Amino acid sequence: NAGVTQTPKFRVLKTGQSMTLLCAQDMNHEYMYWYRQDPGMGLRLIHYSVGEGTTAKGEVPDGYNVSRLKKQNFLLGLESAAPSQTSVYFCASSYQLGEQYFGPGTRLTVT
Amino acid sequence: AQSVTQLGSHVSVSEGALVLLRCNYSSSVPPYLFWYVQYPNQGLQLLLKYTTGATLVKGINGFEAEFKKSETSFHLTKPSAHMSDAAEYFCAVSRSSSNTGKLIFGQGTTLQVKP
Repeated sequence: NAGVTQTPKFRVLKTGQSMTLLCAQDMNHEYMYWYRQDPGMGLRLIHYSVGEGTTAKGEVPDGYNVSRLKKQNFLLGLESAAPSQTSVYFCASSYQLGEQYFGPGTRLTVT
Repeated sequence: AQSVTQLGSHVSVSEGALVLLRCNYSSSVPPYLFWYVQYPNQGLQLLLKYTTGATLVKGINGFEAEFKKSETSFHLTKPSAHMSDAAEYFCAVSRSSSNTGKLIFGQGTTLQVKP
């Protein structure tokens, strides 16, 4: 099992550009999450999904959109990137009340 | 609302010394509590978790934590630090009654182990 994978691992964007981050899990988990990690702030929840076709806002959703068309995939989109979105992005998946399994992260720089 | 506070953003210990990383939480309902470790340029890995039952929880790599409801604490300990323990550690809390599984993370504590 690959667990949770994230694509791409690194990306540099110019302000105003768009991109999509892909998260895939092969553990048949219902729940999936997108976090951003910034120095001294821990991990903050951007959006999450409790099942295929469902999404919900987390703590810091502004500037991001998500989709969960297939159970195993959770996409995070940036429509118009801003320097404030420079961060490391982590995807995670879990059963309802179980531990979350994390991907390796995507390091995004917006110039 | 739930929250997590990790006391000390950086902790430095000598190899072989006791490791103590502090975590206090706030929750209006019985919490589930987690400790995760993050090695450089990697994702987070679960060290241990408390859900119900025994309040002293043992995890991987010799770590353990004790849930103390009266102190709203879940401190992480290891009797003897190893160089390979150098990493960032995150405490997290979720609601036992949650139907979303959302975690609230502390700010993280970087553990430095000196030879």
